[in-house]
Amino acid sequence: DAGVIQSPRHEVTEMGQEVTLRCKPISGHDYLFWYRQTMMRGLELLIYFNNNVPIDDSGMPEDRFSAKMPNASFSTLKIQPSEPRDSAVYFCASSSREDRSGEKLFFGSGTQLSVL
Amino acid sequence: DQQVKQNSPSLSVQEGRISILNCDYTNSMFDYFLWYKKYPAEGPTFLISISSIKDKNEDGRFTVFLNKSAKHLSLHIVPSQPGDSAVYFCAASAAGGTSYGKLTFGQGTILTVHP
Repeated sequence: DAGVIQSPRHEVTEMGQEVTLRCKPISGHDYLFWYRQTMMRGLELLIYFNNNVPIDDSGMPEDRFSAKMPNASFSTLKIQPSEPRDSAVYFCASSSREDRSGEKLFFGSGTQLSVL
Repeated sequence: DQQVKQNSPSLSVQEGRISILNCDYTNSMFDYFLWYKKYPAEGPTFLISISSIKDKNEDGRFTVFLNKSAKHLSLHIVPSQPGDSAVYFCAASAAGGTSYGKLTFGQGTILTVHP
């Protein structure tokens, strides 16, 4: 299994531009999570999906952020318009509640976003 | 309000010795705890977990201890190896229902194991 795949690995954009981050979860996993890592706030949950349905988006910072999961193998996190304070590493993770080892999330390698 | 705290930003240990990483939590609803390891430019990878019904879980060189009354858990690595050098994150969740997988992470501890 290739694991959770995120693209792009790095994104540099200018303030005001739209940014789209992409994620392919592990096949068969029914949960997908978007996390953000910053120096100030550490790793924080933005939103998560179960069977492609958003369950909790309380961590989404503001309306400029939106996430979709059109099917079981693809999710996007969009920022429009982007601002310098959005600069962070964005991680996607997936998991399966059928996994008897518990709430073990599998993370992608992340997208390093820099908004200038 | 930081519900999961790792008060030591860094820890330096000699190869072969024991590494002890600590984590404190404040939310009494947390009943499942995990440790993740993260190398630079990679995502966190799961290391070991423990349910609140246990006070110890062991997996090879890694052991996690949970003290519910003190709301404290620790990760022991014995013996430590240079390849263990990474950032270690403690995470907690109130398992079940709509909270499944909703992990709250600590700030991380940078472990450096010297040869």
